Amino acid sequence: TQLLEQSPQFLSIQEGENLTVYCNSSSVFSSLQWYRQEPGEGPVLLVTVVTGGEVKKLKRLTFQFGDARKDSSLHITAAQPGDTGLYLCAGARVSNTGKLIFGQGTTLQVKP
Amino acid sequence: DSGVTQTPKHLITATGQRVTLRCSPRSGDLSVYWYQQSLDQGLQFLIQYYNGEERAKGNILERFSAQQFPDLHSELNLSSLELGDSALYFCASSVITGGIGEAFFGQGTRLTVV
Repeated sequence: TQLLEQSPQFLSIQEGENLTVYCNSSSVFSSLQWYRQEPGEGPVLLVTVVTGGEVKKLKRLTFQFGDARKDSSLHITAAQPGDTGLYLCAGARVSNTGKLIFGQGTTLQVKP
Repeated sequence: DSGVTQTPKHLITATGQRVTLRCSPRSGDLSVYWYQQSLDQGLQFLIQYYNGEERAKGNILERFSAQQFPDLHSELNLSSLELGDSALYFCASSVITGGIGEAFFGQGTRLTVV
């Protein structure tokens, strides 16, 4: 059972386009992280959202945590080829040790 | 650079063998997590240690074990290896256990079992 469902799984767009990646669950999380992973490398933390309804911006990336803390979205404005990579959402459950439950990831390709 | 160091970066070994993967957490981090990443399963939590003690177990096979040493580095031991154990193995560390779950990942060890 995949507790975190990411969509879409694959996305190929042209430079300059906008996109949104969704991360959904029926479970409540104490926090949700977004990571970006390059081939052959480890995931790199982009942002952590903790409060329901929270919105965080990182340059052209906007992250939102759902009001009920069950879902999150990542929106990229004016995508660039350098944004290409695997985007992973990961949630920490309310009670636990900090272990993360990962979504399957969204592979983004931005063509020049 | 996340500050988490994993060695070796690549490992090729035969079925039935045993290997040890090593992880040095970020300076000051007491928690170490091990994850396995495969194409069909994505990133799966294996096990967590906090200040030398096991704190949480995930989908870790009985053939796999881990420990955290007094200097806080951790080792993941994989034995009786099978072809299906081929994957990327990541170590992550965080300052505390629990909290908001923010963790920093190493570059991983790519294990190939032939």
